[in-house]
Amino acid sequence: AQTVTQSQPEMSVQEAETVTLSCTYDTSESDYYLFWYKQPPSRQMILVIRQEAYKQQNATENRFSVNFQKAAKSFSLKISDSQLGDAAMYFCAYRSALTGTASKLTFGTGTRLQVTL
Amino acid sequence: NAGVTQTPKFRVLKTGQSMTLLCAQDMNHEYMYWYRQDPGMGLRLIHYSVGEGTTAKGEVPDGYNVSRLKKQNFLLGLESAAPSQTSVYFCASSYRQGSYEQYFGPGTRLTVT
Repeated sequence: AQTVTQSQPEMSVQEAETVTLSCTYDTSESDYYLFWYKQPPSRQMILVIRQEAYKQQNATENRFSVNFQKAAKSFSLKISDSQLGDAAMYFCAYRSALTGTASKLTFGTGTRLQVTL
Repeated sequence: NAGVTQTPKFRVLKTGQSMTLLCAQDMNHEYMYWYRQDPGMGLRLIHYSVGEGTTAKGEVPDGYNVSRLKKQNFLLGLESAAPSQTSVYFCASSYRQGSYEQYFGPGTRLTVT
């Protein structure tokens, strides 16, 4: 079974600065997908960014980018120019690409990000 | 497009009572899921469905039942609620294949006293 580990329960960043959230995972599969979800105080889960394991290029979405290290099984999220609206819980998630796995997600325990003025 | 909706948003139950949570999606997704979220534990999969009329157990299925009689709806039932089932429950749906993400509902906060 796959596991996802987020070792930073809480992080803090100043507005306009850059912060990196860590995520490691354990799998024996070679093809899979990785996601970062954001959960603001409203509780709504919002997709931030996704990465296909077969792609070597790191995904980027505006101020959000990932550092995907397949051999190290590491998938960190970098938030540049942090804004107050980035304050939320961030979850890393793994999904197998194998058929028959029902596209189930395995989540990490989350990192709570505070953004200060 | 309403996306994924959940009913109700909040509920308080007494131990032993039963209830059903309703999830509906209007995106024609084949797959649907129920998760529970507890502090410090992330989201854990309770049950899921890969199509109308089919359901399967996830990581923490005990004490819950599900049904998917229509493609757009996925019901989560608690037959005899226990305080350990106090949690926030999320429904999600997704397309079958590809790198598509799961789309989540707004959650239901359930308290069992």
